[in-house]
Amino acid sequence: EDQVTQSPEALRLQEGESSSLNCSYTVSGLRGLFWYRQDPGKGPEFLFTLYSAGEEKEKERLKATLTKKESFLHITAPKPEDSATYLCAVRHEAGNNRKLIWGLGTSLAVNP
Amino acid sequence: GAVVSQHPSRVICKSGTSVKIECRSLDFQATTMFWYRQFPKKSLMLMATSNEGSKATYEQGVEKDKFLINHASLTLSTLTVTSAHPEDSSFYICSASYSTLRGKNTEAFFGQGTRLTVV
Repeated sequence: EDQVTQSPEALRLQEGESSSLNCSYTVSGLRGLFWYRQDPGKGPEFLFTLYSAGEEKEKERLKATLTKKESFLHITAPKPEDSATYLCAVRHEAGNNRKLIWGLGTSLAVNP
Repeated sequence: GAVVSQHPSRVICKSGTSVKIECRSLDFQATTMFWYRQFPKKSLMLMATSNEGSKATYEQGVEKDKFLINHASLTLSTLTVTSAHPEDSSFYICSASYSTLRGKNTEAFFGQGTRLTVV
């Protein structure tokens, strides 16, 4: 069964304390892994797309990496404004089906 | 960048009435639009996928007659919650994507969401 699992469910960091969020997936025919950030009461904001194992992408304090089984979102020296829920999703295409399979998210709190 | 606008952001309606939520892609033509529902502290639950000019594909367990989806153009999709009841109160979010010249589907761009409260 196609599945996306994120861990930890919640994470509390001190400002400047680097860490990583995990997204493990089991899908047939990966057509992209996506990271989003969601603030309370808002729609998800796109961060990264990764397509193949070994691929990495960076944006400010965030870096996403991908293997054949999982993806990591590394947060370097986080700031309080990085506090949000981080969602991972994968796409697999079967015919015209382009829907995403979503993880439950990691709620990140960064204390000043 | 690609912008998706969702309106209204909040709506309160009486039980038994219908509510329409609009989702517009402002600077691109959306070949596919998705409607999600999100419960508190939960992830996104896909309700339906719609392509311009064709009927929406609903996920299992989602009532087609209750959640009417119209994708009338490449920039507009609407979700109408008919005969709303308190249990329909939720956060509804739309997203849109488009196909590149190579035929690859882009990432999904999300609207800001609509908080529906049925009283």
